[in-house]
Amino acid sequence: GENVEQHPSTLSVQEGDSAVIKCTYSDSASNYFPWYKQELGKRPQLIIDIRSNVGEKKDQRIAVTLNKTAKHFSLHITETQPEDSAVYFCAASDGAAGNKLTFGGGTRVLVKP
Amino acid sequence: DAGITQSPRHKVTETGTPVTLRCHQTENHRYMYWYRQDPGHGLRLIHYSYGVKDTDKGEVSDGYSVSRSKTEDFLLTLESATSSQTSVYFCAISESPGASVYGYTFGSGTRLTVV
Repeated sequence: GENVEQHPSTLSVQEGDSAVIKCTYSDSASNYFPWYKQELGKRPQLIIDIRSNVGEKKDQRIAVTLNKTAKHFSLHITETQPEDSAVYFCAASDGAAGNKLTFGGGTRVLVKP
Repeated sequence: DAGITQSPRHKVTETGTPVTLRCHQTENHRYMYWYRQDPGHGLRLIHYSYGVKDTDKGEVSDGYSVSRSKTEDFLLTLESATSSQTSVYFCAISESPGASVYGYTFGSGTRLTVV
């Protein structure tokens, strides 16, 4: 089955700086790659996603890039703010029966004021 | 809110007892999932459903069973709870891959402690 590795496990950045989280996946059939943000004690929430026919997608201060050949994708957060502090999860799916997502282990991001 | 609710929100139970967690959705989504969240492991799929009475196993299904008798309800049962099943359990729903809104919507989670 699919295996998703996520790095780093923790990331501390200064407010205003950029943060980058990287994920690799194992199944070349995977074609959908969402990112979730989970604040302390809350549910994970979808913040951005990308499909395999697209190389990059942006939404305000966040962007996701995908390299299908290397089987890795990354989340970029620019101009970080304290409210960006959370745990971020990447995931991958091949869109097959069940639309199952396989998640990475998560990255705890701390934005220092 | 998100159209998906989990109950109970918190539960403490004793080793060896059966436990049932409930997930209820009002979105009429086809797919429903149960994940567990543990430190360092992210979210791991326990079971999922792709329709009424259609369910299948995920990567950590041992010791768990599920049922879906109605579109809106997906039940997770721990047949005989063990301390290793102490975790936060999340239910999620999603539309079909071809839908315009494709990602998961998660419930608020159930924190289960097995003592």
